[in-house]
Amino acid sequence: DQQVKQNSPSLSVQEGRISILNCDYTNSMFDYFLWYKKYPAEGPTFLISISSIKDKNEDGRFTVFLNKSAKHLSLHIVPSQPGDSAVYFCAASFYNQGGKLIFGQGTELSVKP
Amino acid sequence: ETGVTQSPTHLIKTRGQQVTLRCSSQSGHNTVSWYQQALGQGPQFIFQYYREEENGRGNFPPRFSGLQFPNYSSELNVNALELDDSALYLCASSSNRRELFFGEGSRLTVL
Repeated sequence: DQQVKQNSPSLSVQEGRISILNCDYTNSMFDYFLWYKKYPAEGPTFLISISSIKDKNEDGRFTVFLNKSAKHLSLHIVPSQPGDSAVYFCAASFYNQGGKLIFGQGTELSVKP
Repeated sequence: ETGVTQSPTHLIKTRGQQVTLRCSSQSGHNTVSWYQQALGQGPQFIFQYYREEENGRGNFPPRFSGLQFPNYSSELNVNALELDDSALYLCASSSNRRELFFGEGSRLTVL
């Protein structure tokens, strides 16, 4: 039972263009969503988060959009840089279980110069 | 400010053995969570500790156990190792915020 899904295992984007990573979830009780970035041989690094009471959160080149009716969130990276090449995980959590994140399978982003 | 540190970084065990993995949480963080990440998958929640008590557990058998110490550091113990336990084990710490901060992980190989 995969409650958080990232249906694209990989994505390739040209440097300077927009990268859009997608994530779907099934449980409407999730109230907080996060994106993590992971390089090989390193732990996941927190990127950006969004509460279910919002539909957009921005931090520099990174913007997360949340569509609750569609149970869908996306991460936009503009402009994409070669250093953004990594595996990106979306994750979700419930109100009273903040330490328990439900992760998607990850999307490997490759940004080509 | 020191981040989350884990040890050992790599280890090899044989089936049936026991393993202990260690984690020092980020300064000021009182909650520690452990995750297992198999190859090609997202991390899966094992359990969480808050103030030395287990405070939530994922779908893992009892041979996965843990401890949290007064300084908020933590251990993950796995008994009777199986081949499928081969994975990257991640420790994460947090304070009152919803974001978790992960260590670099311990790569366990079970032969």
